[in-house]
Amino acid sequence: DSGVTQTPKHLITATGQRVTLRCSPRSGDLSVYWYQQSLDQGLQFLIQYYNGEERAKGNILERFSAQQFPDLHSELNLSSLELGDSALYFCASSPRETLYYNEQFFGPGTRLTVL
Amino acid sequence: KNQVEQSPQSLIILEGKNCTLQCNYTVSPFSNLRWYKQDTGRGPVSLTIMTFSENTKSNGRYTATLDADTKQSSLHITASQLSDSASYICVVSQANSGYALNFGKGTSLLVTP
Repeated sequence: DSGVTQTPKHLITATGQRVTLRCSPRSGDLSVYWYQQSLDQGLQFLIQYYNGEERAKGNILERFSAQQFPDLHSELNLSSLELGDSALYFCASSPRETLYYNEQFFGPGTRLTVL
Repeated sequence: KNQVEQSPQSLIILEGKNCTLQCNYTVSPFSNLRWYKQDTGRGPVSLTIMTFSENTKSNGRYTATLDADTKQSSLHITASQLSDSASYICVVSQANSGYALNFGKGTSLLVTP
């Protein structure tokens, strides 16, 4: 158990809908990262938050947005869902702002299926 | 083009045998290289982290090597066990972009009895 929790574990929805994925980082970790992993694809970095502020952006679509709250949990919002958004979404946390030689701990993931 | 390439894409070995997975990267400037193990449907778990000054790092039966000059790394698994069946992902951190991580697509390893 990495100490990172994600809810829900599974999510099935229809095209055009909007969903929210939730992540609670390890106790004491200030950075939260979101990743997308599609079938047969590597992990794609979406976005990072550090202590409530957006720190880095990767290949995140405009239909997707995220935020980190004062209690450090984070939510990833996916809207106008398309079939291609079906994937595993992972949250990871780490103690510091950057990943230089710092461990990154991954949650169990949320499997999103868009029908 | 992906800056981190892994080979082979998949591998099947018998329990008890050794195997070596390869990672070539073009990420520059280099900060560090990580190997993760990802069981099917679960989040990746870190095995090793190495900077350019570290040539070898071990974690139990897992030994990673790094040649920063040729930009190659390998992960050697000794005396494989059924529980080693997983995807092994090579990740290279870039020094000048907030140490952003570049992920390989992974090598899928199946250990059979």
